[in-house]
Amino acid sequence: QAVVTQEPSLTVSPGGTVTLTCVSSSGAVTSGHSPYWFQQKPGQAPTTLIYDTSYQHSWTPARFSGSLWGGKAALTLSGAQPEDEAEYYCCLSYSGARVFGGGTKLTVL
Amino acid sequence: QVQLVQSGAEVKKPGASVKVSCKASGYIFTSYGINWVRQAPGQGLEWMGWISTYNDDTNYAQKLQGRVTMTTDTSTSTAYMELLSLRFDDTAVYFCARDGSYWDWGQGTLVTVSS
Repeated sequence: QAVVTQEPSLTVSPGGTVTLTCVSSSGAVTSGHSPYWFQQKPGQAPTTLIYDTSYQHSWTPARFSGSLWGGKAALTLSGAQPEDEAEYYCCLSYSGARVFGGGTKLTVL
Repeated sequence: QVQLVQSGAEVKKPGASVKVSCKASGYIFTSYGINWVRQAPGQGLEWMGWISTYNDDTNYAQKLQGRVTMTTDTSTSTAYMELLSLRFDDTAVYFCARDGSYWDWGQGTLVTVSS
């Protein structure tokens, strides 16, 4: 089974920009992996930020965007807000089986 | 609006089994599959598997093959996840999440395995 790797932790200044990445042990991440990004705050269920690489739900803040970059899936936060402090998980599909990354703890400071 | 309401917390002994329910509302149940995801205390998310609510096809995580069974009851728009032969490291919050493009999540069910 493939392993999905994310940065364990990142820090961004309020108003700043940060990119979180998602790497697959089996090679380059492509749109075929249908990358998802989820946000989870302490004590809460996750919520979906990005699906199928770059699509957002209507209530996903526009400051979040998803892409493929250098063989990785990427989540970019432009204009960080204090409420964006959370754990972020990517999730890739391997022929229907899903694998989550270990999560990135994002601190806004 | 879409809602997934899960059953309440459970405490089980090692070797027992647990069955968690996930009742869906606000959409046509058979139009979207259901994923099950768990999270051990202080740990990350782990995908457990998926079930088609249309034809009951399943896809289980390799790690849980043989111990997990996912089912649905279309008459009540409810999905179930049963985990057998519970071990201490099965202690976790178990989530259901509606498949499709955008995942909608249940509130989670804490399952504690303790002797």
